[in-house]
Amino acid sequence: DAGVIQSPRHEVTEMGQEVTLRCKLISGHNSLFWYRQTMMRGLELLIYFNNNVPIDDSGMPEDRFSAKMPNASFSTLKIQPSEPRDSAVYFCASSLRASGGNQPQHFGDGTRLSIL
Amino acid sequence: ILNVEQSPQSLHVQEGDSTNFTCSFPSSNFYALHWYRWETAKSPEALFVMTLNGDEKKKGRISATLNTKEGYSYLYIKGSQPEDSATYLCAFIGGNEKLTFGTGTRLTIIP
Repeated sequence: DAGVIQSPRHEVTEMGQEVTLRCKLISGHNSLFWYRQTMMRGLELLIYFNNNVPIDDSGMPEDRFSAKMPNASFSTLKIQPSEPRDSAVYFCASSLRASGGNQPQHFGDGTRLSIL
Repeated sequence: ILNVEQSPQSLHVQEGDSTNFTCSFPSSNFYALHWYRWETAKSPEALFVMTLNGDEKKKGRISATLNTKEGYSYLYIKGSQPEDSATYLCAFIGGNEKLTFGTGTRLTIIP
């Protein structure tokens, strides 16, 4: 079974450039989560979707960050313009939607982003 | 801001010894508690999802217990092996159905 697929695995770009991270959910999953991992703050939830609808984006750091689900199996996280402090590992995870959070999340391998 | 704490932050255990560590979380508005295992250079992998007070889950040599009334969960590893070396994360889900992760316990097994 294919797991959650993220691309690219690594991204190095200059400050000010637009960055787009991609995520393909596990087939049949209908919840999608974007996380950011940093040394200082650990694993933080940025935004999550249920059935393609953004439910909570309170973790999105600022307006430079945006996330979309153009269809049920795919999501993008965009940073425009990027800044050095955005350097981190970005994970997406998917799960079956269930009330009460009783379904485990399945994580992709992450995108290591470096903004110079 | 929800407070999910894990202790200890790091742990070195001799191969063959058993060990345990703790996750504490808010005792009100509890929905679920997740445990994940995160090996270096990989992604977190789900171990357990626990929803009921008194739950005990087991997967091979790893087991977990849950006390929702006092807000803690223990993860136990019996007869540690080198492949158990990883960071173990717990995550709390409350009424808003979002996972709030603890900072993890980094376990190193010494051969």
